[in-house]
Amino acid sequence: GNSVTQMEGPVTLSEEAFLTINCTYTATGYPSLFWYVQYPGEGLQLLLKATKADDKGSNKGFEATYRKETTSFHLEKGSVQVSDSAVYFCATDTGRRALTFGSGTRLQVQP
Amino acid sequence: GAGVSQSPSNKVTEKGKDVELRCDPISGHTALYWYRQSLGQGLEFLIYFQGNSAPDKSGLPSDRFSAERTGGSVSTLTIQRTQQEDSAVYLCASSLDWKTDTQYFGPGTRLTVL
Repeated sequence: GNSVTQMEGPVTLSEEAFLTINCTYTATGYPSLFWYVQYPGEGLQLLLKATKADDKGSNKGFEATYRKETTSFHLEKGSVQVSDSAVYFCATDTGRRALTFGSGTRLQVQP
Repeated sequence: GAGVSQSPSNKVTEKGKDVELRCDPISGHTALYWYRQSLGQGLEFLIYFQGNSAPDKSGLPSDRFSAERTGGSVSTLTIQRTQQEDSAVYLCASSLDWKTDTQYFGPGTRLTVL
C-alpha cells in the first residue's frame, strides 16, 4: 500500500528563518498529496494539497510541490513565525479513500 | 457551517469496559472516516463509511472494534472490553463524497483506559 516518510523532529528555528520539512512517498498510481497541521490543543487542519504531478499547493505562506520524479512533497516556508509552531503531517490518499499519514514533524519557532 | 464534532472530548474508562465514541460529520458530507492517533503508532486509518455502508473496514485492529452509521450522518465507534493499548485519540473526518479527496477532521476523543 501507499506510505509516507517524513523527517523526524523536532525542528527548532528562530523567527523569520526558512523552513523545509521533507516528505517522500511510495504509491501505486497517482495519489493526491496533503500537508495537515495540528496546532497545540487543536485538531488536524488541512494546510495544503496537490492532486497531480508538478502541482504546487500553497496556503498561509507555506508551499509544497508534487514531484513525481523524486516522489517528494516537501513543505517550505520562507519566513516562519512563532504562531507556526505545530506538528505537521504529510499524507497521501490510498486509493481506498483513506489517508496514510507520516509520523509527523514538530516545529518549534523561537522568538 | 459547523465543522465535524465529536463527543465526548475525553473519556476515562477501566480495562474491560465498553465505550462508545460519537462523530457528527459536516452537514451534507456523505463520506466519514475514523482514525486513531497514538504515541506508538502515529495516525492510523480504522474504517470508512460511504453513506451508511462501510466498504473499507480494513483498519479495525481487532473484532472488539466496530462502527456504525445511521441515517447517513452520525457515526458511533464502539470498543468492547477495552484494553490499555486502546488508549489513544480517536479522530473522525468527513468529506463531501467518496470522490472528494479533502477530509475535514474533528477535534478528537481522547480515550484513556486504566
